Amino acid sequence: AQSVSQHNHHVILSEAASLELGCNYSYGGTVNLFWYVQYPGQHLQLLLKYFSGDPLVKGIKGFEAEFIKSKFSFNLRKPSVQWSDTAEYFCAVIPGNQGGKLIFGQGTELSVKP
Amino acid sequence: ETGVTQSPTHLIKTRGQQVTLRCSSQSGHNTVSWYQQALGQGPQFIFQYYREEENGRGNFPPRFSGLQFPNYSSELNVNALELDDSALYLCASSLNLAGGHETQYFGPGTRLLVL
Repeated sequence: AQSVSQHNHHVILSEAASLELGCNYSYGGTVNLFWYVQYPGQHLQLLLKYFSGDPLVKGIKGFEAEFIKSKFSFNLRKPSVQWSDTAEYFCAVIPGNQGGKLIFGQGTELSVKP
Repeated sequence: ETGVTQSPTHLIKTRGQQVTLRCSSQSGHNTVSWYQQALGQGPQFIFQYYREEENGRGNFPPRFSGLQFPNYSSELNVNALELDDSALYLCASSLNLAGGHETQYFGPGTRLLVL
């Protein structure tokens, strides 16, 4: 079955530290890739997305992600985190033949210490 | 804000009852998807509606059903509620374009508690 795996359940960083959250998916064909963020008390928001083209995509709030097809990965990065980045982060995939079915990872909770 | 609204925000039901959740899609969107998010988990796809027809379904039993209306708003109905149905139910709207590249925008969710 198709699945999305996020490597860390909970990450704790100090402000200004660099962030990388891992995401791997299990599907061999074309994929559309997404990172969503859920701030405390708020709804899921789109951070960034990849459909095709340049595998390095930039999103809102200084986030970026790199699609590495050979590794089935779409890791999220930010050079310097802020306290306001404290949130839960979800990687999600739409496999090429699945229409709009978003398959989510289990989420990574990020806590940033001021 | 995404422009996707859901009602009610919270709901308490007892086992065996039926529930209807509602979603208004973002202006200009023609597709609505529903997800169930259990505590500590990522959202799980229930089904999607495009132009009032079901357009894909996840691994949920038939007691989960839906509707989409001509204005693209949608309802999720759950019959014979079970304790495990307690979760956050998320609605997402999108514009279904030929060739894919669909981006889903989420509403705030309805939190359902089944006692």
